[in-house]
Amino acid sequence: DAGITQSPRHKVTETGTPVTLRCHQTENHRYMYWYRQDPGHGLRLIHYSYGVKDTDKGEVSDGYSVSRSKTEDFLLTLESATSSQTSVYFCAISEPGLGEQFFGPGTRLTVL
Amino acid sequence: DQQVKQNSPSLSVQEGRISILNCDYTNSMFDYFLWYKKYPAEGPTFLISISSIKDKNEDGRFTVFLNKSAKHLSLHIVPSQPGDSAVYFCAASDLTGGGNKLTFGTGTQLKVEL
Repeated sequence: DAGITQSPRHKVTETGTPVTLRCHQTENHRYMYWYRQDPGHGLRLIHYSYGVKDTDKGEVSDGYSVSRSKTEDFLLTLESATSSQTSVYFCAISEPGLGEQFFGPGTRLTVL
Repeated sequence: DQQVKQNSPSLSVQEGRISILNCDYTNSMFDYFLWYKKYPAEGPTFLISISSIKDKNEDGRFTVFLNKSAKHLSLHIVPSQPGDSAVYFCAASDLTGGGNKLTFGTGTQLKVEL
């Protein structure tokens, strides 16, 4: 299994509070991604990174920001959480030119 | 607009029989296709992939078929086992175009019954 951890694994927060999710990898993969999984939608890309300090928006980026100051860490921040951001969040990693992405165990976020 | 579609939300198969999961796509730029398997409370696990230059790829009990003219791919699992019960996601990317981003379907819940 790829060395990918996500923290926290579960979080319950209130509307309007900031939340930061962390993805940490030990594989030294250059590319990292954040997805959310919702019923009826599959996995949708939020943001991705092709290297340190090189990030870009995905399909559903509104309300989210990311940062990548080190190869191994990719942070996802919800500046002001809303109930529509209740979801399961997955981090993934890959290498350039290889189609396969490897996923972390996920973070279940509930916004009340 | 859903570029990758899995029109069957669920599929039930008897143990030992073949499971066939289907996936359709609309973006002709997609040139690499993958299947992922997901158990509850775990992350998706890569299962098998196929490049658009091929029409079939096999790995043990799992075979993926690609029909580019129909923009359709399928995953065959034979024989099906109870441990195969999971959600299966189809995904696609424009790998040659330099993008490693994946576009996922909505998933098919496979249940393999004894």
